[in-house]
Amino acid sequence: EPEVTQTPSHQVTQMGQEVILRCVPISNHLYFYWYRQILGQKVEFLVSFYNNEISEKSEIFDDQFSVERPDGSNFTLKIRSTKLEDSAMYFCASLGSTEAFFGQGTRLTVV
Amino acid sequence: QKEVEQNSGPLSVPEGAIASLNCTYSDRGSQSFFWYRQYSGKSPELIMFIYSNGDKEDGRFTAQLNKASQYVSLLIRDSQPSDSATYLCAVNNEGDTGFQKLVFGTGTRLLVSP
Repeated sequence: EPEVTQTPSHQVTQMGQEVILRCVPISNHLYFYWYRQILGQKVEFLVSFYNNEISEKSEIFDDQFSVERPDGSNFTLKIRSTKLEDSAMYFCASLGSTEAFFGQGTRLTVV
Repeated sequence: QKEVEQNSGPLSVPEGAIASLNCTYSDRGSQSFFWYRQYSGKSPELIMFIYSNGDKEDGRFTAQLNKASQYVSLLIRDSQPSDSATYLCAVNNEGDTGFQKLVFGTGTRLLVSP
């Protein structure tokens, strides 16, 4: 069964540092997403990516965030200067014609 | 603001009973609807999706959709303790730019007691 793969599974970083979260979506899917889930809260949409560009982003996705798909395979989320409140689970997802699948997530802890 | 509403629970049912999980959504233009199961600390796992009004059955799970009432539900028959998790309703909408995205509810926590 195809799956979405995320690395690392857990990232600890100091406040102000840059982090890059990586995802390998399902190859024949068209839309890719990053979502965030702060502990005990709902899954929140960050950004969607289609045809190698951002198609939509939420209010959360401010200038400290960026996404790219550098090699046609990996899909990355960069957080430039992390803040304590960026601590959360970050999920990558890819949407095919009928179904959306999530990766296992990266737990980001900012200290 | 497009919203998806769920009762946060917990919903407690005994083993073997039917669990009924409900979800309402605000955007009448919503096209498709998903139910995900999420265990604590894990990623959402797709259970099933539904597009058309009516019922869709898959094993012990039945999704029900009523677009007129903007209501979607998930029934779990013969509930098992392993079904204890948070169930997320997600609605696939066209975003502001015309592309698709999932909007999630807060989830309903289900507890199945042996």
